[in-house]
Amino acid sequence: GAVVSQHPSRVICKSGTSVKIECRSLDFQATTMFWYRQFPKQSLMLMATSNEGSKATYEQGVEKDKFLINHASLTLSTLTVTSAHPEDSSFYICSARAFEHYGYTFGSGTRLTVV
Amino acid sequence: GIQVEQSPPDLILQEGANSTLRCNFSDSVNNLQWFHQNPWGQLINLFYIPSGTKQNGRLSATTVATERYSLLYISSSQTTDSGVYFCAVEEDTGNQFYFGTGTSLTVIP
Repeated sequence: GAVVSQHPSRVICKSGTSVKIECRSLDFQATTMFWYRQFPKQSLMLMATSNEGSKATYEQGVEKDKFLINHASLTLSTLTVTSAHPEDSSFYICSARAFEHYGYTFGSGTRLTVV
Repeated sequence: GIQVEQSPPDLILQEGANSTLRCNFSDSVNNLQWFHQNPWGQLINLFYIPSGTKQNGRLSATTVATERYSLLYISSSQTTDSGVYFCAVEEDTGNQFYFGTGTSLTVIP
């Protein structure tokens, strides 16, 4: 149980276009999901907390107008990278928690390349 | 926010050797997990261990919450153990989950 599915796994887009990444909890409902970004040979950095039915909470330094988060249902959160630029190329990964005394489960990640 | 430091940053082992990875955190936590990140980026959950000791095969982990650290033990290492190991913690004052700096492990035959 507690599976998080993330799609797509890999995407290449042109500079200036927008890209949407989906994160789904398959066998549980998640009122809160989390989005992370990881640059090569670095740790995972928390970008934002996605809250079902309300606005996302962004970490300091993360542009909320660039990284749009929508959590429209209890099983789906989306991250849209708007007007992507090469410096947005990174590995993006989402997570959610099934139960209070259970660990966080992560999606398989999305590798974004902006050319 | 909470600071999470891991040591050592890099570790090279001969196959069959044992190792200990450390995770120090700066504030009280109510959740701590250890992960292994494979070459494709997938995070494999190793332990959910906010306190106490757990074992799973050649791996074991201990968290001493009162002293704000956790240890991951790898015994009889194998080449397939290579990769990056992260600890991550959730502050007991919030529900954000923060990752440590990571330990890159290379096991050579």
